[in-house]
Amino acid sequence: AIRMTQSPSSFSASTGDRVTITCRASQSINTYLAWYQQKPGKAPKRLIYSASTLQSGVPSRFSGSGSGTDFTLTISSLQSEDFATYYCQQYYNYPYTFGQGTKLEIK
Amino acid sequence: EVQLVESGGGLVQPGRSLRLSCAASGFTFDDYAMHWVRQAPGKGLEWVSGIPWNSDSIGYADSVKGRFTISRDNAKKSLYLQMNSLRPEDTALYYCAKGSNEYSRSSCDSWGQGTLVIVSS
Repeated sequence: AIRMTQSPSSFSASTGDRVTITCRASQSINTYLAWYQQKPGKAPKRLIYSASTLQSGVPSRFSGSGSGTDFTLTISSLQSEDFATYYCQQYYNYPYTFGQGTKLEIK
Repeated sequence: EVQLVESGGGLVQPGRSLRLSCAASGFTFDDYAMHWVRQAPGKGLEWVSGIPWNSDSIGYADSVKGRFTISRDNAKKSLYLQMNSLRPEDTALYYCAKGSNEYSRSSCDSWGQGTLVIVSS
């Protein structure tokens, strides 16, 4: 199975900060990568798919990049509603796999 | 509006079986792949299984392969997960998720609220 490794696992930041989360695949997945946001007690929400395509309705401060094995999710200016846990997922090959998650906390 | 409503969760003893269902509405069900994703209490997301629109290329997580079976009934707009030989480590909130296209290579663009499965004696 393809292993997805996110870094950091947790991170403290302030509103207005620029934040980057990285995700590395154990083998090439082309651009078959999605990013999700999950808030406590809620279902995940897709933010980005195909590595860099913004989901409709998601604020433009979110962006994704990368291909092959290395990917990033960037939030250009953190807002209070962005404090959550973020997951990457590859959907290139079965079994599809998620990263372990990055918990973004308020500093 | 896409709606996915899971049901069938509950408390079950180790070794027993359970069948989850997901009722879909708000989109053309047989135009999309579907997935099950689970989340153990306090843990991260784990993709469990996926099925394309025509059920021809099904995948499973290694942790459930041989024990779980995914299926769909396009006429009933429903997704299912038959879970056999349940183990305590299968305890989780199980989400039904809509794929972003009809094929197996699809991410999850809409999610239900989940149904809780607890495996314990």
